[in-house]
Amino acid sequence: DAKTTQPTSMDCAEGRAANLPCNHSTISGNEYVYWYRQIHSQGPQYIIHGLKNNETNEMASLIITEDRKSSTLILPHATLRDTAVYYCIVRVGNDMRFGAGTRLTVKP
Amino acid sequence: EAGVTQFPSHSVIEKGQTVTLRCDPISGHDNLYWYRRVMGKEIKFLLHFVKESKQDESGMPNNRFLAERTGGTYSTLKVQPAELEDSGVYFCASSQVSGFRTDTQYFGPGTRLTVL
Repeated sequence: DAKTTQPTSMDCAEGRAANLPCNHSTISGNEYVYWYRQIHSQGPQYIIHGLKNNETNEMASLIITEDRKSSTLILPHATLRDTAVYYCIVRVGNDMRFGAGTRLTVKP
Repeated sequence: EAGVTQFPSHSVIEKGQTVTLRCDPISGHDNLYWYRRVMGKEIKFLLHFVKESKQDESGMPNNRFLAERTGGTYSTLKVQPAELEDSGVYFCASSQVSGFRTDTQYFGPGTRLTVL
């Protein structure tokens, strides 16, 4: 019952920006958008989160549209180690509701 | 600062046996969560502790699963008796504050459970 829609898979060339889209058209005004990723069989890794303003940290940037119905995670210079499944999550309650995510493959 | 740790990393048991998984949260984190991913499915929430109290256990699949967090530090998740469908990866996460829409959860590496 995830509230987000993401493409199943994407490719990106090494060194280029990876732009991962997420639709969350039913998001409520006080619900945050979180991004996590899972590299191979490791635990989910927190990347970034935001409410309505764009956010940037050392890992990525998060661009949220003005109507908040969609967002884009940007990895500015993708490396081979960024190959992972990326999850966009609209935080409804205490728990994180993971969907299927986007499998990003960074290619040399 | 040490992250969330989980033990064991792998466990292989036979159907009907008991297994206990352990999670040590980040020091100072009052909130502790258990999740799991069973074969071919998405990661699903199991339960949430605030200190030693169960805040939400709506995701626990049945009464064969028992989670405890005595003293509000580490937590254990016991499966007794284990069934084949319990196979999967069990993740633990912790967070610091109680503002549930804004606290960031940090995940451990998971315990891979295989029930034969």
